[in-house]
Amino acid sequence: GQSLEQPSEVTAVEGAIVQINCTYQTSGFYGLSWYQQHDGGAPTFLSYNALDGLEETGRFSSFLSRSDSYGYLLLQELQMKDSASYFCAADTGGFKTIFGAGTRLFVKA
Amino acid sequence: NAGVMQNPRHLVRRRGQEARLRCSPMKGHSHVYWYRQLPEEGLKFMVYLQKENIIDESGMPKERFSAEFPKEGPSILRIQQVVRGDSAAYFCASSPNPNTDTQYFGPGTRLTVL
Repeated sequence: GQSLEQPSEVTAVEGAIVQINCTYQTSGFYGLSWYQQHDGGAPTFLSYNALDGLEETGRFSSFLSRSDSYGYLLLQELQMKDSASYFCAADTGGFKTIFGAGTRLFVKA
Repeated sequence: NAGVMQNPRHLVRRRGQEARLRCSPMKGHSHVYWYRQLPEEGLKFMVYLQKENIIDESGMPKERFSAEFPKEGPSILRIQQVVRGDSAAYFCASSPNPNTDTQYFGPGTRLTVL
């Protein structure tokens, strides 16, 4: 079957750096997306990696290694408002995006 | 430029009733996706539609669930004879093209079945 695995929760302190890993197993693969979702809110697109390597967007970076079927989201200079759930999602080339179960990030003062 | 709109935001139904969820995609977007999210879980793909066409409904239960995206008006997700297990958040997303790298999500409809 097709699946994405990511840790269920991560805790870090304000100002720190946190990495959220995602491994995927899909029948087709074109790229990996990351979404942020605050409690009660809608998922918001953060990044998309189609090629191997690191993509940086402000405090957030995303990495992909297609040979390892692995990616991660890196959040730097953590702020309290970063407390949310983070989902990795695989673009399988069809019309269906497969989402991971999400990683709940708790940022402590 | 309005984003994806969904209504109602909250919907309460009794078992056996029908639930109708509406989604208006972003202006210029003709591709709509519906997802279901249970508490503490990720988003589960249900159906992908273009105007007047269902392209992929592989994630939608065969019974009681249907979706449409008419030429005029919003996309509708209909759940007939709701059961308690249908209680979830239902999100709609839209994109300007059929590629799924970036989707814009609506605020969701939280369905509670009593």
